Amino acid sequence: KNEVEQSPQNLTAQEGEFITINCSYSVGISALHWLQQHPGGGIVSLFMLSSGKKKHGRLIATINIQEKHSSLHITASHPRDSAVYICAVRILVFGAGTILRVKS
Amino acid sequence: GAGVSQSPSNKVTEKGKDVELRCDPISGHTALYWYRQSLGQGLEFLIYFQGNSAPDKSGLPSDRFSAERTGGSVSTLTIQRTQQEDSAVYLCASKGQPMNTEAFFGQGTRLTVV
Repeated sequence: KNEVEQSPQNLTAQEGEFITINCSYSVGISALHWLQQHPGGGIVSLFMLSSGKKKHGRLIATINIQEKHSSLHITASHPRDSAVYICAVRILVFGAGTILRVKS
Repeated sequence: GAGVSQSPSNKVTEKGKDVELRCDPISGHTALYWYRQSLGQGLEFLIYFQGNSAPDKSGLPSDRFSAERTGGSVSTLTIQRTQQEDSAVYLCASKGQPMNTEAFFGQGTRLTVV
């Protein structure tokens, strides 16, 4: 069993849909990171969470420390949101990533 | 510079040669990380520097891999006697204080061993 598991592995959505990507982890945590990687592009940090919820624009990240689970939500999805989304514990242990494609 | 800078952006080397990859973190960032991302694979942690502490080398895949960080700033990842399976994108990231802050990633070095 991987220490950080993401679901789904692949996700195709229609523009405007609400999207949820899940991350479960089994390792100890001081911080959980959500990262975004565009094809051929670099990696951008979206959120760093140690508790509760954070919101940046259309992106929302939540974490439940007791359940060892985090979610990344995208509201009103847009084709430019198409990317790989990666969950990471302490940016040392990574999930396999979720490939998101938003169709117009 | 404003962000994390890595050089070279691309490197092609012959099997058996040594290579050095460079990372310039954001000025003042005390934490520096190296990762590897093989084609179609996820990110793999290699090594982590934090201030003057001994680096966490637990992710280095073999003794052919080493890294150093001089003066708490620039870091060099060295791969000796490169093998074809070393072909990957090597990424660097840095973080500032306090430690519970976001990380900033470089654009990576694409290494191809032929």
